[in-house]
Amino acid sequence: EPEVTQTPSHQVTQMGQEVILRCVPISNHLYFYWYRQILGQKVEFLVSFYNNEISEKSEIFDDQFSVERPDGSNFTLKIRSTKLEDSAMYFCASSLSLASETQYFGPGTRLLVL
Amino acid sequence: QKEVEQNSGPLSVPEGAIASLNCTYSDRGSQSFFWYRQYSGKSPELIMFIYSNGDKEDGRFTAQLNKASQYVSLLIRDSQPSDSATYLCAVTGSARQLTFGSGTQLTVLP
Repeated sequence: EPEVTQTPSHQVTQMGQEVILRCVPISNHLYFYWYRQILGQKVEFLVSFYNNEISEKSEIFDDQFSVERPDGSNFTLKIRSTKLEDSAMYFCASSLSLASETQYFGPGTRLLVL
Repeated sequence: QKEVEQNSGPLSVPEGAIASLNCTYSDRGSQSFFWYRQYSGKSPELIMFIYSNGDKEDGRFTAQLNKASQYVSLLIRDSQPSDSATYLCAVTGSARQLTFGSGTQLTVLP
Protein backbone atom coordinates (compact mmCIF):
# COMPACT_ATOMS: atom_id res chain seq x y z
CA GLU A 1 0.00 0.00 0.00
CA PRO A 2 1.42 3.44 -0.92
CA GLU A 3 2.54 5.56 1.99
CA VAL A 4 4.06 8.91 2.82
CA THR A 5 7.70 8.68 3.83
CA GLN A 6 9.78 11.18 5.80
CA THR A 7 13.47 11.63 6.47
CA PRO A 8 15.20 11.86 8.79
CA SER A 9 13.23 10.15 11.55
CA HIS A 10 15.16 12.12 14.17
CA GLN A 11 17.11 15.35 13.90
CA VAL A 12 19.09 17.09 16.63
CA THR A 13 20.33 20.60 15.90
CA GLN A 14 21.74 23.61 17.65
CA MET A 15 19.65 26.73 18.09
CA GLY A 16 20.11 29.07 15.15
CA GLN A 17 20.97 26.34 12.68
CA GLU A 18 18.99 25.62 9.53
CA VAL A 19 17.22 22.31 9.14
CA ILE A 20 15.51 20.72 6.17
CA LEU A 21 12.90 18.06 6.70
CA ARG A 22 12.08 15.86 3.74
CA CYS A 23 8.91 14.11 2.69
CA VAL A 24 7.94 11.91 -0.22
CA PRO A 25 4.16 12.11 -0.60
CA ILE A 26 2.07 9.32 -2.10
CA SER A 27 2.92 9.36 -5.79
CA ASN A 28 -0.40 10.38 -7.38
CA HIS A 29 -1.38 12.82 -4.64
CA LEU A 30 -1.64 16.50 -5.47
CA TYR A 31 -2.03 18.26 -2.12
CA PHE A 32 0.73 18.34 0.47
CA TYR A 33 0.78 19.51 4.06
CA TRP A 34 3.05 20.02 7.01
CA TYR A 35 1.81 19.73 10.57
CA ARG A 36 3.66 19.77 13.84
CA GLN A 37 2.99 18.38 17.29
CA ILE A 38 4.82 19.70 20.30
CA LEU A 39 5.16 16.99 22.95
CA GLY A 40 1.89 16.56 24.81
CA GLN A 41 0.02 19.06 22.64
CA LYS A 42 -2.36 19.07 19.69
CA VAL A 43 -1.39 18.41 16.11
CA GLU A 44 -1.19 21.86 14.50
CA PHE A 45 -1.43 22.82 10.86
CA LEU A 46 1.54 24.69 9.38
CA VAL A 47 1.09 24.92 5.62
CA SER A 48 -0.61 23.39 2.60
CA PHE A 49 0.85 23.27 -0.90
CA TYR A 50 -0.77 22.67 -4.25
CA ASN A 51 0.33 23.22 -7.83
CA ASN A 52 3.78 24.37 -6.70
CA GLU A 53 2.57 27.11 -4.42
CA ILE A 54 1.38 27.62 -0.88
CA SER A 55 -2.40 27.33 -0.58
CA GLU A 56 -2.83 28.12 3.10
CA LYS A 57 -0.54 28.78 6.02
CA SER A 58 -1.06 29.23 9.72
CA GLU A 59 0.25 31.90 12.05
CA ILE A 60 2.98 29.50 13.10
CA PHE A 61 4.37 29.44 9.56
CA ASP A 62 6.34 32.68 9.73
CA ASP A 63 9.31 33.92 7.69
CA GLN A 64 11.57 31.34 9.31
CA PHE A 65 9.72 28.57 7.51
CA SER A 66 9.62 27.74 3.84
CA VAL A 67 8.43 24.84 1.73
CA GLU A 68 9.55 23.59 -1.61
CA ARG A 69 8.90 20.81 -4.07
CA PRO A 70 12.35 20.66 -5.65
CA ASP A 71 11.55 17.73 -7.94
CA GLY A 72 8.64 15.49 -8.84
CA SER A 73 8.75 13.46 -5.66
CA ASN A 74 10.16 15.38 -2.69
CA PHE A 75 8.42 17.99 -0.56
CA THR A 76 10.60 19.82 1.95
CA LEU A 77 10.14 22.02 4.99
CA LYS A 78 13.01 24.35 5.82
CA ILE A 79 13.44 26.12 9.12
CA ARG A 80 16.03 28.84 8.58
CA SER A 81 17.15 29.62 12.11
CA THR A 82 15.82 27.13 14.61
CA LYS A 83 14.57 28.13 18.04
CA LEU A 84 14.17 26.00 21.14
CA GLU A 85 10.40 26.16 20.69
CA ASP A 86 10.67 24.55 17.26
CA SER A 87 11.34 21.24 19.00
CA ALA A 88 8.43 19.05 17.97
CA MET A 89 7.33 16.17 15.82
CA TYR A 90 6.83 17.31 12.23
CA PHE A 91 4.37 15.40 10.09
CA CYS A 92 4.00 15.56 6.35
CA ALA A 93 0.64 14.58 4.85
CA SER A 94 -0.78 14.28 1.37
CA SER A 95 -4.21 13.97 -0.20
CA LEU A 96 -5.30 12.82 -3.61
CA SER A 97 -7.32 15.59 -5.15
CA LEU A 98 -9.56 18.58 -4.67
CA ALA A 99 -12.54 16.31 -4.15
CA SER A 100 -10.77 14.02 -1.69
CA GLU A 101 -9.96 15.66 1.62
CA THR A 102 -8.63 12.55 3.29
CA GLN A 103 -5.08 13.22 4.35
CA TYR A 104 -2.54 10.47 4.90
CA PHE A 105 0.28 11.15 7.31
CA GLY A 106 3.92 10.17 7.17
CA PRO A 107 5.71 8.73 10.20
CA GLY A 108 7.11 12.09 11.24
CA THR A 109 10.47 13.68 11.99
CA ARG A 110 11.28 14.31 15.62
CA LEU A 111 13.21 17.59 15.78
CA LEU A 112 15.13 18.52 18.89
CA VAL A 113 16.66 21.98 19.09
CA LEU A 114 19.35 22.41 21.75
CA GLN B 1 -10.89 30.73 15.78
CA LYS B 2 -11.91 27.19 15.00
CA GLU B 3 -11.97 24.93 18.03
CA VAL B 4 -12.34 21.19 18.30
CA GLU B 5 -12.96 19.90 21.79
CA GLN B 6 -12.52 16.40 23.11
CA ASN B 7 -12.61 14.90 26.56
CA SER B 8 -8.96 14.12 27.20
CA GLY B 9 -9.75 11.06 29.29
CA PRO B 10 -8.27 8.72 30.09
CA LEU B 11 -11.19 6.50 29.13
CA SER B 12 -10.92 2.90 30.26
CA VAL B 13 -13.15 0.11 29.01
CA PRO B 14 -12.92 -3.65 29.45
CA GLU B 15 -12.06 -5.85 26.50
CA GLY B 16 -15.13 -6.60 24.41
CA ALA B 17 -17.03 -3.51 25.53
CA ILE B 18 -18.12 -0.52 23.44
CA ALA B 19 -15.92 2.55 23.68
CA SER B 20 -17.63 5.88 22.99
CA LEU B 21 -15.54 8.90 22.05
CA ASN B 22 -17.00 12.37 21.64
CA CYS B 23 -16.04 15.57 19.93
CA THR B 24 -17.59 19.01 19.49
CA TYR B 25 -16.56 21.71 17.08
CA SER B 26 -17.15 25.44 17.03
CA ASP B 27 -17.21 26.31 13.32
CA ARG B 28 -20.63 25.73 11.77
CA GLY B 29 -18.98 25.90 8.36
CA SER B 30 -17.03 22.71 9.04
CA GLN B 31 -17.63 20.29 6.22
CA SER B 32 -15.71 17.10 6.80
CA PHE B 33 -14.99 15.19 9.95
CA PHE B 34 -12.26 12.69 10.62
CA TRP B 35 -11.18 10.29 13.32
CA TYR B 36 -7.50 9.46 13.57
CA ARG B 37 -5.79 7.07 15.95
CA GLN B 38 -2.37 7.95 17.32
CA TYR B 39 -0.14 5.58 19.22
CA SER B 40 2.47 7.16 21.46
CA GLY B 41 5.31 8.62 19.44
CA LYS B 42 3.67 7.73 16.13
CA SER B 43 1.81 9.64 13.45
CA PRO B 44 -1.98 9.96 13.16
CA GLU B 45 -3.55 7.03 11.36
CA LEU B 46 -6.89 7.57 9.64
CA ILE B 47 -9.75 5.45 10.99
CA MET B 48 -12.83 7.01 9.42
CA PHE B 49 -14.28 10.10 7.86
CA ILE B 50 -17.86 11.31 7.69
CA TYR B 51 -19.42 14.15 5.71
CA SER B 52 -23.17 13.78 6.20
CA ASN B 53 -25.45 13.75 9.21
CA GLY B 54 -26.14 10.29 10.60
CA ASP B 55 -24.13 7.17 11.14
CA LYS B 56 -21.36 5.59 9.10
CA GLU B 57 -20.13 2.12 9.91
CA ASP B 58 -16.82 0.49 9.00
CA GLY B 59 -16.16 -2.84 10.65
CA ARG B 60 -16.06 -2.35 14.43
CA PHE B 61 -16.13 1.44 14.07
CA THR B 62 -19.16 3.71 13.76
CA ALA B 63 -18.89 7.45 13.28
CA GLN B 64 -21.91 9.61 14.10
CA LEU B 65 -22.38 13.21 12.99
CA ASN B 66 -24.94 15.75 14.13
CA LYS B 67 -24.27 19.07 12.45
CA ALA B 68 -27.12 20.86 14.24
CA SER B 69 -25.48 20.04 17.57
CA GLN B 70 -21.96 20.39 16.15
CA TYR B 71 -21.15 17.00 17.52
CA VAL B 72 -19.31 14.00 16.15
CA SER B 73 -18.64 10.72 17.89
CA LEU B 74 -16.85 7.43 17.36
CA LEU B 75 -18.04 4.11 18.70
CA ILE B 76 -15.68 1.16 18.86
CA ARG B 77 -17.45 -2.16 19.28
CA ASP B 78 -15.81 -5.25 20.73
CA SER B 79 -12.88 -3.17 21.97
CA GLN B 80 -9.49 -4.88 21.94
CA PRO B 81 -6.32 -4.08 23.91
CA SER B 82 -4.72 -3.13 20.57
CA ASP B 83 -7.29 -0.31 20.33
CA SER B 84 -5.56 1.40 23.25
CA ALA B 85 -4.33 4.70 21.82
CA THR B 86 -5.18 8.38 21.63
CA TYR B 87 -8.10 9.12 19.32
CA LEU B 88 -7.99 12.44 17.50
CA CYS B 89 -11.02 14.20 16.12
CA ALA B 90 -10.30 16.56 13.21
CA VAL B 91 -12.41 18.80 11.00
CA THR B 92 -11.97 20.70 7.77
CA GLY B 93 -13.91 23.61 6.38
CA SER B 94 -13.59 25.61 3.18
CA ALA B 95 -9.85 25.60 3.76
CA ARG B 96 -8.41 22.14 3.47
CA GLN B 97 -6.31 22.03 6.59
CA LEU B 98 -7.25 19.75 9.44
CA THR B 99 -8.05 21.30 12.79
CA PHE B 100 -7.41 18.71 15.48
CA GLY B 101 -8.75 18.22 18.95
CA SER B 102 -6.39 17.40 21.76
CA GLY B 103 -7.38 13.73 21.66
CA THR B 104 -8.97 11.21 24.00
CA GLN B 105 -6.71 8.58 25.51
CA LEU B 106 -8.40 5.17 25.42
CA THR B 107 -7.24 2.17 27.41
CA VAL B 108 -8.83 -1.23 26.79
CA LEU B 109 -8.26 -3.50 29.75
CA PRO B 110 -7.71 -7.23 29.08
